Amino acid sequence: NAGVTQTPKFQVLKTGQSMTLQCAQDMNHEYMSWYRQDPGMGLRLIHYSVGAGITDQGEVPNGYNVSRSTTEDFPLRLLSAAPSQTSVYFCASRPQVATNEKLFFGSGTQLSVL
Amino acid sequence: GEDVEQSLFLSVREGDSSVINCTYTDSSSTYLYWYKQEPGAGLQLLTYIFSNMDMKQDQRLTVLLNKKDKHLSLRIADTQTGDSAIYFCAETGYGGSQGNLIFGKGTKLSVKP
Repeated sequence: NAGVTQTPKFQVLKTGQSMTLQCAQDMNHEYMSWYRQDPGMGLRLIHYSVGAGITDQGEVPNGYNVSRSTTEDFPLRLLSAAPSQTSVYFCASRPQVATNEKLFFGSGTQLSVL
Repeated sequence: GEDVEQSLFLSVREGDSSVINCTYTDSSSTYLYWYKQEPGAGLQLLTYIFSNMDMKQDQRLTVLLNKKDKHLSLRIADTQTGDSAIYFCAETGYGGSQGNLIFGKGTKLSVKP
């Protein structure tokens, strides 16, 4: 198993550009989520999904869209990038929604918006 | 709202014990977690404790939970330079979904040789 795979690892955008951060897991996990990590702010939940076709907003959803058409993939879309979206983005998954099982994290995407 | 608080920095000497503290607000949290983040990497689960436990020990790690004070601590015995990392406390529960975690801001542990 590859675990949770995020691409790209690094990305630089200009203000107003759009892009999609990819996240894929090969563990048949129901639950997937996106976090952003900013210095001094910890990790904040952007969006999450409890299964294919089901998504919901987290703490900081504005400026981001998600979809979950398959169990494996959970892409995060920035529709019109802003400098405030400069951050490190982590995708995480777990087997089911409400368990004590650990979250599996991807290695992150470092995004800079100029 | 739900919140998890940690001090941002801790510096110890190699061989000493490290104690990282955390306070949380959601008394209904079922589990409380400690995650470790090494430079340039994602987070990895270190250990967790069920809310009806007071203590959990796992090799060099000891987790203490004081539910009355909503205080969680992580003690690392015989701290090594390889323990240098950011440690995140997390609790379950957000917006009705027990699957979401709320993370603290992280404590950066520096271990001096």
